[in-house]
Amino acid sequence: RKEVEQDPGPFNVPEGATVAFNCTYSNSASQSFFWYRQDCRKEPKLLMSVYSSGNEDGRFTAQLNRASQYISLLIRDSKLSDSATYLCVARGGSQGNLIFGKGTKLSVKP
Amino acid sequence: DTGVSQDPRHKITKRGQNVTFRCDPISEHNRLYWYRQTLGQGPEFLTYFQNEAQLEKSRLLSDRFSAERPKGSFSTLEIQRTEQGDSAMYLCASSLVSNEQFFGPGTRLTVL
Repeated sequence: RKEVEQDPGPFNVPEGATVAFNCTYSNSASQSFFWYRQDCRKEPKLLMSVYSSGNEDGRFTAQLNRASQYISLLIRDSKLSDSATYLCVARGGSQGNLIFGKGTKLSVKP
Repeated sequence: DTGVSQDPRHKITKRGQNVTFRCDPISEHNRLYWYRQTLGQGPEFLTYFQNEAQLEKSRLLSDRFSAERPKGSFSTLEIQRTEQGDSAMYLCASSLVSNEQFFGPGTRLTVL
């Protein structure tokens, strides 16, 4: 079982739709969690951190449930420019290395 | 542009050849990470440095892979006797200890 597992996608949605991504992690020692965005043939970029108290940034909301080891990302009023792959990420231990899920591809259509 | 640079951006090589990639991190960042990303997968951690010390290398994929950061600034990743399965994007990231990691644009390796 992979340490971080995500919905496989792809998600094809119309502009303005609300879309939710889910992710689970297996290592309860993981300390920090993130969502990264990766455009085609580009490097991953941090979208937002994820906290138990929730984190909202404009149209994006991320949530962590430590008890169920579950992470979510909600995108409201999706835009064409939101089309990308969204990577669920855990960081654990003193090394600080990131553990990525496979990613979920989102395509927003006009 | 995150401030992390990698060179070359693309490398095509024949099976059995050695290749070396370079990463220049953000100058004040003391941590430098290497990851590998294959098609349809998320990046996979390979190794990391804190300053010039390589603190984790057990995740390097085989003994054909090695990395250095001789002066605690830039780093190199070398793959000896390349195989077709080594074809991937090799990503470098830098950070201040456990702060946000900034990724470079990657080196895309194709082994023929």
